[in-house]
Amino acid sequence: DQQVKQNSPSLSVQEGRISILNCDYTNSMFDYFLWYKKYPAEGPTFLISISSIKDKNEDGRFTVFLNKSAKHLSLHIVPSQPGDSAVYFCAAPVGTALIFGKGTTLSVSS
Amino acid sequence: DVKVTQSSRYLVKRTGEKVFLECVQDMDHENMFWYRQDPGLGLRLIYFSYDVKMKEKGDIPEGYSVSREKKERFSLILESASTNQTSMYLCASSHRQGIYEQYFGPGTRLTVT
Repeated sequence: DQQVKQNSPSLSVQEGRISILNCDYTNSMFDYFLWYKKYPAEGPTFLISISSIKDKNEDGRFTVFLNKSAKHLSLHIVPSQPGDSAVYFCAAPVGTALIFGKGTTLSVSS
Repeated sequence: DVKVTQSSRYLVKRTGEKVFLECVQDMDHENMFWYRQDPGLGLRLIYFSYDVKMKEKGDIPEGYSVSREKKERFSLILESASTNQTSMYLCASSHRQGIYEQYFGPGTRLTVT
């Protein structure tokens, strides 16, 4: 049973616009979340994280929002650039390991 | 700079062969992980290790085994490769306590024919 869900397999956005990638979770005990970005034929790279004591974390063009009551987090990319085209995974720690969502493929067109 | 390396980027093996995938990290991390990535299924944890000679099963350990004889090296073994093990295999590492960020290698694209 999926504990971390990314319900949109793909998202297409125009360059310069906002990209919003969503992630839902079922376990209210999760207290930390991470976003990873993956290009084809490369390993995932860490993008940004958020602790449950916060509801927002920002790093340049990337902002993650956490809504604990809704068990929902989102990654905002503003402005989107063609180089942002990749697969994005949200993840949550379970003990030593991370549990990942299935990913959302973002395509940014110029 | 953090580095996780994997022995091969691309590998083609025949059904029934024994396959070794090697992973080395240079960050003195305690934890190491093996995932596979398949389209529409995301990253699924096969095995992880939190110390030398220690291992834990992940979500999909069937058909795989692992070995960790040295802290920096974590091997994934397919005892008898099957076509349903064709996948992208990703190795990762992380510190032991309270730091959840994992660092990934570039991946090995394994094709079993």
